[in-house]
Amino acid sequence: DVKVTQSSRYLVKRTGEKVFLECVQDMDHENMFWYRQDPGLGLRLIYFSYDVKMKEKGDIPEGYSVSREKKERFSLILESASTNQTSMYLCASKRDSPSGEKLFFGSGTQLSVL
Amino acid sequence: SQQGEEDPQALSIQEGENATMNCSYKTSINNLQWYRQNSGRGLVHLILIRSNEREKHSGRLRVTLDTSKKSSSLLITASRAADTASYFCATDDPGGSYIPTFGRGTSLIVHP
Repeated sequence: DVKVTQSSRYLVKRTGEKVFLECVQDMDHENMFWYRQDPGLGLRLIYFSYDVKMKEKGDIPEGYSVSREKKERFSLILESASTNQTSMYLCASKRDSPSGEKLFFGSGTQLSVL
Repeated sequence: SQQGEEDPQALSIQEGENATMNCSYKTSINNLQWYRQNSGRGLVHLILIRSNEREKHSGRLRVTLDTSKKSSSLLITASRAADTASYFCATDDPGGSYIPTFGRGTSLIVHP
């Protein structure tokens, strides 16, 4: 069964801490994505990666960075967590295809920054 | 970036009734997808319809696409309490990078 695994379901951090959210997929997908989801705002794209060591900014990259050293792993980094980064974070992956492919999502990480 | 908009924002029905959700978008698309999200969980893909298709079925799901009106609808027939979830449409970036962008979703509650 195909899987996207996010390292934590719930995370509580303090303002100013450096936070790492890890995501691993076992489908050999080229593309990986980080979204955040807030009530009433839907999913907003933070960063995506279309290959190892490649990354592109999404709609709301400020305050975040990413790392993709291996094809199966895509990490989201909050350099200095702030309370407005309290949110549900969703990782997803898909095959690279010109005809469009469906996304596979992890279960999400609910991050609270106090 | 383009974003689909679902309508209504919330829908409450009785078990056995049909549920219809709509999605409108702004520019041309490659394809449109519908996803489901149970409370506090990740999204699960339901169905993908390409821009040259008009209708698609999957079990109790029926999706239509009208590219002239830039809209899609998701119909769930004979709903069950287990269909209670949020439903999102996602459209591909028309610029060719194939990055799905999502609407705000429709929250569906099916009462037993």
